[in-house]
Amino acid sequence: GQQVMQIPQYQHVQEGEDFTTYCNSSTTLSNIQWYKQRPGGHPVFLIQLVKSGEVKKQKRLTFQFGEAKKNSSLHITATQTTDVGTYFCAGPQRRGGKLIFGQGTELSVKP
Amino acid sequence: SAVISQKPSRDICQRGTSLTIQCQVDSQVTMMFWYRQQPGQSLTLIATANQGSEATYESGFVIDKFPISRPNLTFSTLTVSNMSPEDSSIYLCSVARGLNNEQFFGPGTRLTVL
Repeated sequence: GQQVMQIPQYQHVQEGEDFTTYCNSSTTLSNIQWYKQRPGGHPVFLIQLVKSGEVKKQKRLTFQFGEAKKNSSLHITATQTTDVGTYFCAGPQRRGGKLIFGQGTELSVKP
Repeated sequence: SAVISQKPSRDICQRGTSLTIQCQVDSQVTMMFWYRQQPGQSLTLIATANQGSEATYESGFVIDKFPISRPNLTFSTLTVSNMSPEDSSIYLCSVARGLNNEQFFGPGTRLTVL
């Protein structure tokens, strides 16, 4: 079946270092969404990418959607302790449109 | 965005009992979703709840175990029936809004089954 895979599963960085998580879909996606879940919290929508090759920025966060619309990445520049949490990518099923979530990348930041 | 509340926020239950989780949305929505998130894991869709019709369950989830009600366009309940420790998890409801159905989640219900 359709799958969305994310790597790495965990990432530990020193505050100020950069961080990147990668998302790969087994099928072409109409769009990809990114969510952040703080420890003990619920997933919160960050952004959606729709166009092939699209790049969007939110302050220190840069999101990319691949040319083939099968992969995506989230890059955080100069991480801060407030960036701690699990980052999920999600893409809609080809049929039905329900979201399929990646496994998530848990980011921890040492101050 | 959407304002979504869930009750209870957490519960500890005995094996064999049932728990009903409530989800309230601040405005009318067509579809509401119920997810399960086991510790340290991703989100797994249990079912989609449509007002006025039976819920649609994903593979591995059945109505007898997870009955869902959707009496109106702002409210839904999920019941976890005949619970076992394997049902210990966070249960989240969500709604889809926006042009491409970005999802907004409730705060979740943390369930522990002893």
